[in-house]
This record gives sequence, structure tokens and C-alpha cells, in this order.
Amino acid sequence: EAGVTQFPSHSVIEKGQTVTLRCDPISGHDNLYWYRRVMGKEIKFLLHFVKESKQDESGMPNNRFLAERTGGTYSTLKVQPAELEDSGVYFCASSPIAGLQETQYFGPGTRLLVL
Amino acid sequence: GNSVTQMEGPVTLSEEAFLTINCTYTATGYPSLFWYVQYPGEGLQLLLKATKADDKGSNKGFEATYRKETTSFHLEKGSVQVSDSAVYFCALRTFSGGYNKLIFGAGTRLAVHP
Repeated sequence: EAGVTQFPSHSVIEKGQTVTLRCDPISGHDNLYWYRRVMGKEIKFLLHFVKESKQDESGMPNNRFLAERTGGTYSTLKVQPAELEDSGVYFCASSPIAGLQETQYFGPGTRLLVL
Repeated sequence: GNSVTQMEGPVTLSEEAFLTINCTYTATGYPSLFWYVQYPGEGLQLLLKATKADDKGSNKGFEATYRKETTSFHLEKGSVQVSDSAVYFCALRTFSGGYNKLIFGAGTRLAVHP
């Protein structure tokens, strides 16, 4: 069974440009999460999809970030326009069910560097 | 609010040494606790978990016990190997308000030398 995949693995862009990150969850997983780790600090939650619906987007830092999950399969996270402080590693995770026994499976992350 | 505090790294050990990485938490309700590991060049992998007080999670020789009285979930291994070199993240999940998000600590880098 394929794991969570993310694309690209690395992205270097200039301040003011747009970047779109993609996450493909494990097949059949309704729950999809985005997290990010900035400058070696803690990994922080961004948002949670259940199928195509946003369940919780309380961690999205501002309106420069837009996440979508059309059709409830893969998800994209767009940053427009990118700022220097957006640099970090963006992780995606998926799980089949929520609840006490939930295990979130993480992808390898996308390293974003904004110059 | 909910938070996780773990010891700062890097932790540098010789092979076969004993490992402890401290983790304490603050949470409302009854959180589940996790240790995730990130090996060089790879994504986060679940190492072990515990869902209620006094539970012990274990995997690959690592152990952690959910201590409600001290709000701790310290990671231990009796004899580390070079292959254990990685970044270790302690995390909690609480269902307060129905949310499933994980709350992570800052990570502890472990370097094991031959």
C-alpha cells in the first residue's frame, strides 16, 4: 500500500511568488491534515479535511494560505504571495477514521524556502 | 491551552548507551500521547503511543509510560544504535471540542556515535 506522498519535495521561490504544494493521502483515508515546521521549531497544525470539507482550519496563519481538497482525494495548499516567514517544512498526514484509535500517517514533507 | 515541552537537543550518545528524552504536557481532558520519529531524509513515522493513564507504549526497543500524575511521557531505550539517530517528536491529541489535531513539541535531535 502506498503511503502519503507529497510534491514537490523541495521548492525555492522568491518573496511575492506563488507556490502550490500537493498531498496525496493513502487511498481511502477520509481525514487529511496539513502541518508545518518553521525554522526548527515545533510542528504546528494548519488544517483538517474530512473528505472535501474543512473540519478545522484554526491553524491557518492568514489569508495568503488557501487549501483545497476537491473530490475528497488529493489536497493542495497554495501560498500567495509567499513571504520570508513562510519558509519551513510542510507535512501532510492522513487517517482512515477519527477518534481515540486514530493514527495519522505522515508524508515526507515539502521543504519550502522563500528568498 | 494545550502544549508539549520536550528536552532540547541535540542529545549525543555512544552506541549501547541508555537514552531518555523527557516530555511533559499541558492539556485539558484526557489526551492521547505519541512519539514520532523523523529519520534523515524521511517523513514522520509513528514510533509509539498511549491512550490512557499508566499505559506503556513500546516499539523497536523504545518505551514510554503515560504518567498522568506528573503529566509526562518520557521516551527511553536501554541500548541505542547508530541507526536510532533521528529527530524525535513528542505529541498529544485531545478531543476537546471535537478536534483531532496533533500538538507537537519542538523535537529532540539524537546523534548516536559508534
